[in-house]
Amino acid sequence: KAGVTQTPRYLIKTRGQQVTLSCSPISGHRSVSWYQQTPGQGLQFLFEYFSETQRNKGNFPGRFSGRQFSNSRSEMNVSTLELGDSALYLCASSFWGYRGMDTDTQYFGPGTRLTVL
Amino acid sequence: SQQGEEDPQALSIQEGENATMNCSYKTSINNLQWYRQNSGRGLVHLILIRSNEREKHSGRLRVTLDTSKKSSSLLITASRAADTASYFCATDLSGSARQLTFGSGTQLTVLP
Repeated sequence: KAGVTQTPRYLIKTRGQQVTLSCSPISGHRSVSWYQQTPGQGLQFLFEYFSETQRNKGNFPGRFSGRQFSNSRSEMNVSTLELGDSALYLCASSFWGYRGMDTDTQYFGPGTRLTVL
Repeated sequence: SQQGEEDPQALSIQEGENATMNCSYKTSINNLQWYRQNSGRGLVHLILIRSNEREKHSGRLRVTLDTSKKSSSLLITASRAADTASYFCATDLSGSARQLTFGSGTQLTVLP
């Protein structure tokens, strides 16, 4: 089974621009979560999508948004980029159908490294 | 902000030795997971332990969970140079396994 894929892998933008990152979950997984990793703040939860609906949102400004499509693929968008948005953005997918061990495991993609100049 | 703290922040050992990393958290959880990350790449899931379990094994990995102390440990036995990576514990502090709260991580270096 193919793993979680994220595109692009690397991105360089300038302050004020906007960016869209894409995530394709493992086949059959319907839940997608996004995380931001920075040296200063570590790994922080951004938001989670299931069935095209945002289920949970972390403590990030409204400049960070996302969506999920009917095929479970997800995108996240950051508008008006700031220098502090430079980070590794990780996407994770999981199967969500019933409570159990397999549904509680998140599988991560390789990440998109965003550099804001 | 990080809810979990990992100890030590960095650990350097010789190949063949055992490595132990600890994780503490602050509130009740349903499960705790350990992940490995190589050089800023994606996270690889290692093991999940539920709140009603005390110990779990997977190959050379052994994880313990003490809910009374709100702490967990990850033991890697007979370490190899390929085990060099950052190790993170993650909990479902929010009540959702799809909204993980990560510890600050332990950087493990295994010297050949």
